[in-house]
Amino acid sequence: GAVVSQHPSWVICKSGTSVKIECRSLDFQATTMFWYRQFPKQSLMLMATSNEGSKATYEQGVEKDKFLINHASLTLSTLTVTSAHPEDSSFYICSARQAELSTDTQYFGPGTRLTVL
Amino acid sequence: GENVEQHPSTLSVQEGDSAVIKCTYSDSASNYFPWYKQELGKRPQLIIDIRSNVGEKKDQRIAVTLNKTAKHFSLHITETQPEDSAVYFCAASPNDMRFGAGTRLTVKP
Repeated sequence: GAVVSQHPSWVICKSGTSVKIECRSLDFQATTMFWYRQFPKQSLMLMATSNEGSKATYEQGVEKDKFLINHASLTLSTLTVTSAHPEDSSFYICSARQAELSTDTQYFGPGTRLTVL
Repeated sequence: GENVEQHPSTLSVQEGDSAVIKCTYSDSASNYFPWYKQELGKRPQLIIDIRSNVGEKKDQRIAVTLNKTAKHFSLHITETQPEDSAVYFCAASPNDMRFGAGTRLTVKP
């Protein structure tokens, strides 16, 4: 099956700093990647959708200037949490889809646990 | 946008019994309905999916049914085993995937 990796798997940072999370599709080209946030014992909430070479589409309520998404290649998307605060602490998971079809399977990365002190 | 509701939020069954989780969705344009299993601190793993041109799909002990008219779909797990214990999420996708709130399944030995 398709493999998606994320780096780092966990990160602890001080309030006010920025953190970059990478999402890579290892054995396929992902035309679309998705970023989710998951709080403890809750569901996955879609933050944004990114297509290679174009600007990300953010969900309502997600600040695009705070959560910067770049999808520079067909195998890499990055999420940068800028000026992080304790309330940004969460589990961030990316997923990748090979084709543009909505019926195509999404494969998830292992997630990144962000803790902001 | 798409809104997915999932029930029950928790489900406890005896080993060997069946478990059923139900979801409803709102967007009639949704055409892809996957189910994911997530263990604590790990990534969601796709266990089965169904597309809108199919009413039922089965894979060993797992089956999914879809009723497009009523906009609901269900996950059925038969002969449950303790290792089936996890949180299960349904999702619906008109384009991007929206998840249900999750069901915590506990299978008691």
